[in-house]
Amino acid sequence: GGIITQTPKFLIGQEGQKLTLKCQQNFNHDTMYWYRQDSGKGLRLIYYSITENDLQKGDLSEGYDASREKKSSFSLTVTSAQKNEMAVFLCASSIRDWGCQDTQYFGPGTRLLVL
Amino acid sequence: QEKVQQSPESLIVPEGAMVSLNCSFSDSASQSIWWYQQHPGKGPKALISIFSNGNKKEGRLTVYLNRASLHVSLHIKDSQPSDSAVYLCAVSPNQGGSAKLIFGEGTKLTVSS
Repeated sequence: GGIITQTPKFLIGQEGQKLTLKCQQNFNHDTMYWYRQDSGKGLRLIYYSITENDLQKGDLSEGYDASREKKSSFSLTVTSAQKNEMAVFLCASSIRDWGCQDTQYFGPGTRLLVL
Repeated sequence: QEKVQQSPESLIVPEGAMVSLNCSFSDSASQSIWWYQQHPGKGPKALISIFSNGNKKEGRLTVYLNRASLHVSLHIKDSQPSDSAVYLCAVSPNQGGSAKLIFGEGTKLTVSS
């Protein structure tokens, strides 16, 4: 088995601040994802990466940057945090990008609050 | 853009009851449909997936897919308090092998002991 670690668990920022969230996986999976989950809502894809140094935009990429410098890690940057923003950011990984049957494994999330 | 809708929004059942959760999607050519379970403060966990029309059974879980009616359902037999969680339906859209999943907003299940 493997595990996905997300840091930090909680992130409190100020309006306009640039904030970085980190994700590490030891599954040796090729594809990694960042999702945003607002309270009581489903998950929306921000970015995904099918291999090291690859980036693909999801439906919610505006206002975010991502970086995949190593196979095992995927970072997400909120470029300018919005006041009153509160959401959970979930990182996931799966074994390959093209298999429609591939399971996505999720980390525990980073909870963001912008004051 | 694929749309995924789940019903009901929430459900309370007694322990031992059969639970039925529904999910509708907008594209009959969508690839796999997944059900995820999410406990409070945790990330979602994949439970079961289906690709072909018909049903698939794993333990206490059965999933039914009808592509003609754009509908998939998840049934949990002999529900337990530990089944209390949010259940998310996710659809892999027909985009030539895309890794993307489109999620519904979830059904919150409470199993009372």
